[in-house]
Amino acid sequence: EPEVTQTPSHQVTQMGQEVILRCVPISNHLYFYWYRQILGQKVEFLVSFYNNEISEKSEIFDDQFSVERPDGSNFTLKIRSTKLEDSAMYFCASRPADRHEQFFGPGTRLTVL
Amino acid sequence: ILNVEQSPQSLHVQEGDSTNFTCSFPSSNFYALHWYRWETAKSPEALFVMTLNGDEKKKGRISATLNTKEGYSYLYIKGSQPEDSATYLCASLDNYGQNFVFGPGTRLSVLP
Repeated sequence: EPEVTQTPSHQVTQMGQEVILRCVPISNHLYFYWYRQILGQKVEFLVSFYNNEISEKSEIFDDQFSVERPDGSNFTLKIRSTKLEDSAMYFCASRPADRHEQFFGPGTRLTVL
Repeated sequence: ILNVEQSPQSLHVQEGDSTNFTCSFPSSNFYALHWYRWETAKSPEALFVMTLNGDEKKKGRISATLNTKEGYSYLYIKGSQPEDSATYLCASLDNYGQNFVFGPGTRLSVLP
């Protein structure tokens, strides 16, 4: 059964560094999402992406964040200059056009030191 | 901005017990409610997508109901098993956008 995959599973970085989190959505899906969960808190929506552009974004998704679908298979989340408070699990999800059910990846744990 | 709540926050039951928990969400501009099951170190797994008032869905021993007028959904597990231990998340989608707002989850532990 096809799955959403994410790499790396765990990323440790220094404050101020740029990180890129990678996701490979399920191949026939057209809608893509990033979420994060800070330890002990709710899962929070970051951004949704469709037809090569952002369709919705939350207040969390400020100028430090960007998303890209560079090659038709990968979907990346870039954080330009990481802060301590960016430490969280980051989940990618995708869904096909005809269903609202989202399929989640296993997550990337980002630790900012 | 949606505010989705779930109760209880955590729950311990004995194997074989039946249990249920609640998700509440704003009833105005409701579009869909999703339930996810999330085991530690795994991806959240979609259980149900519910859209219509009065919807009831079932998957094995797990079922869910939806009341869009009063803004709540119940998830029921019949005859809980240790493998049901997980966090159960609900997420509400309104008709203004495509983003989900997740509840904080109910952490279920089923003791053998």
